[in-house]
Amino acid sequence: AQSVSQHNHHVILSEAASLELGCNYSYGGTVNLFWYVQYPGQHLQLLLKYFSGDPLVKGIKGFEAEFIKSKFSFNLRKPSVQWSDTAEYFCAVKGNNRLAFGKGNQVVVIP
Amino acid sequence: SAVISQKPSRDICQRGTSLTIQCQVDSQVTMMFWYRQQPGQSLTLIATANQGSEATYESGFVIDKFPISRPNLTFSTLTVSNMSPEDSSIYLCSVGGPTGVYNEQFFGPGTRLTVL
Repeated sequence: AQSVSQHNHHVILSEAASLELGCNYSYGGTVNLFWYVQYPGQHLQLLLKYFSGDPLVKGIKGFEAEFIKSKFSFNLRKPSVQWSDTAEYFCAVKGNNRLAFGKGNQVVVIP
Repeated sequence: SAVISQKPSRDICQRGTSLTIQCQVDSQVTMMFWYRQQPGQSLTLIATANQGSEATYESGFVIDKFPISRPNLTFSTLTVSNMSPEDSSIYLCSVGGPTGVYNEQFFGPGTRLTVL
């Protein structure tokens, strides 16, 4: 079964700062990769996904993620965050019909 | 995308009782999943529910504790049986499929369960 690692569970930064959240996974087969976001009081929403092709994928709200196969990584980035980006971010990996989640990053953006 | 609703949205229950959580989807879906999100933890897959067959449970989860029904392609229930405080968690319904456009999964709003 696959496993997913996310580091720096709590991230606090100021508006306009850049954000990068790391995600590493372990799985030997073909994977689909996702980032989900959960805004306060809301349910999980898909932020972006990678199935195949260009390893740099763009999602909603200015987020992007890069799949580096050799590093088993799928890091999430946003060049300039806003207060409304305060949320919990989950990396997820789908392999063998199973979707496994990392422990999440709690991101707080200070106005 | 699929729109998923869950009932109840939250509940407070006594130890030893059972609670059934309902999941309704606005379109027919092949695969439905039930997850648990314990406080401060990530989402853990409990089981996969396919219509017309028995649910498939992940390691550490058993049918006697978490019986699941999947009577049709738009509805499923998860029962948390003989509850203890350790079952306090958010339970989420998710829909998707292994192939094609359903490689991504969508999640319901969750049911927040507190067991006293």
